[in-house]
Amino acid sequence: SYVLTQPPSVSVAPGQTARITCGGNNIGSKTVHWYQQKPGQAPVLVVYDDSDRPSGIPERFSGSNSANTATLTISRVEAGDEADYYCQVWASSSDHPVVFGGGTKLTVL
Amino acid sequence: EVQLVESGGGLVKPGGSLRLSCAASGFTFSSYSMIWVRQAPGKGLEWVSSISSSVGYIYYADSVKGRFTISRDNAKSSLYLQMNSLRPEDTAVYYCARARTTVTGHWYFDLWGRGTLVTVSS
Repeated sequence: SYVLTQPPSVSVAPGQTARITCGGNNIGSKTVHWYQQKPGQAPVLVVYDDSDRPSGIPERFSGSNSANTATLTISRVEAGDEADYYCQVWASSSDHPVVFGGGTKLTVL
Repeated sequence: EVQLVESGGGLVKPGGSLRLSCAASGFTFSSYSMIWVRQAPGKGLEWVSSISSSVGYIYYADSVKGRFTISRDNAKSSLYLQMNSLRPEDTAVYYCARARTTVTGHWYFDLWGRGTLVTVSS
């Protein structure tokens, strides 16, 4: 089955830019979606279709996807962005079509 | 209000059964595919099962195949997960989520419930 690899943790100072990666074999050929999960809360979709934002998600959140790596970029990081972030793809040729990455803990220093 | 509300979680002994429900409101439930996702304590998200809007497509993770059954009642705007032969490793918060599709037919999940906790322990 398809595997997505994320770094366990990323740390960034307030106001700086955080980049969270999601690695997968030829992931650039798939569409990648990103979720934010704060402690004790349900996941929230923050980027879909590689780089689109749902309504209500700040423009500071953006995404890109190429070759073997997709990236969630959070600009001008705020304390409220501290959360776990998960990437997700749809492995359409599989009987296990929904694949999540292992998650990345974003710490705002 | 557009929302999903899970219920049915609780404490169950190994080998026991539970039926989770997910009540949808504020949108046309029958038009959307749905999934169950679980999260063990301190762990990441794990896909459990998916069901298409017309029940034409149903998938299960290997970890639950043969033990869990996903179903839906579009007339009641409800999604279900029947869980049998429960194991301690099934202990998790179980979330239901609404699926959307990209132009290429790929699913992503734009609406999540708050989850219901299932604890399997003797």
